[in-house]
Amino acid sequence: DGGITQSPKYLFRKEGQNVTLSCEQNLNHDAMYWYRQDPGQGLRLIYYSQIVNDFQKGDIAEGYSVSREKKESFPLTVTSAQKNPTAFYLCASRGIYSGNTIYFGEGSWLTVV
Amino acid sequence: RKEVEQDPGPFNVPEGATVAFNCTYSNSASQSFFWYRQDCRKEPKLLMSVYSSGNEDGRFTAQLNRASQYISLLIRDSKLSDSATYLCVVNRDDKIIFGKGTRLHILP
Repeated sequence: DGGITQSPKYLFRKEGQNVTLSCEQNLNHDAMYWYRQDPGQGLRLIYYSQIVNDFQKGDIAEGYSVSREKKESFPLTVTSAQKNPTAFYLCASRGIYSGNTIYFGEGSWLTVV
Repeated sequence: RKEVEQDPGPFNVPEGATVAFNCTYSNSASQSFFWYRQDCRKEPKLLMSVYSSGNEDGRFTAQLNRASQYISLLIRDSKLSDSATYLCVVNRDDKIIFGKGTRLHILP
C-alpha cells in the first residue's frame, strides 16, 4: 500500500544524546515536511524539502537537522542542542498531482528521560 | 496576528446537533484549503478539500469565501464518532499552514 512510514513509533532518549527519526514515503511525492506537536497545541513546522538535496528551515528549526538524499526519505535528527525535545513528531508529504493534499505518517513519540 | 485562526473550543454538543466551525486566514495569496481531523494521540487525516463553489460529503459541508478570507465546516446530525479536533489548513506556495484546531466533544 502507498503511504508514509515513520519509525520508531515510541522512542526514549537520555539528555545529551542525538536521535534520528525515520520517514519514508512511496507516494512519489516531491515535498516532505517535519512537524512537532506538543500536548494540546497545534503543529509547528521544523523543516521541509521541496526536492532532493534541498531543504528549508521552518519556524522551529533550532536543535534539529535533516537530510534529503533520496526522494522517498527525509530523516530528522533531534540533537542535544534541542532544549525541550519531548513531543509528538509528524512527517508528511505532498504531491502536486494529488491536489496539493498533505498526507501524514502515524507519528513518533519522543520522550527525553 | 496568526496566518490561520480558529476558535479553539472546546465545543460540547449533544448528539444529533449541527456544528459549525469557522476559520480565517490572513494572506490573500493562499491557494488551497482543507479541513483535517485529528483524533487524540493520532496523526491528522484529510477530511475534505474546500472549494469556492462549496462542497459536500455526506453530513459534512465545507465552504470558502475568498473575499472575506473565511473557511467554514458544517457537520449535520453529529455522531459520537465525530468527537475529535478539526484543523483548518491553508496552502500558500510551498508552505502548509495549520490552524491550532477546534476541539469537538459530542455528548450522548
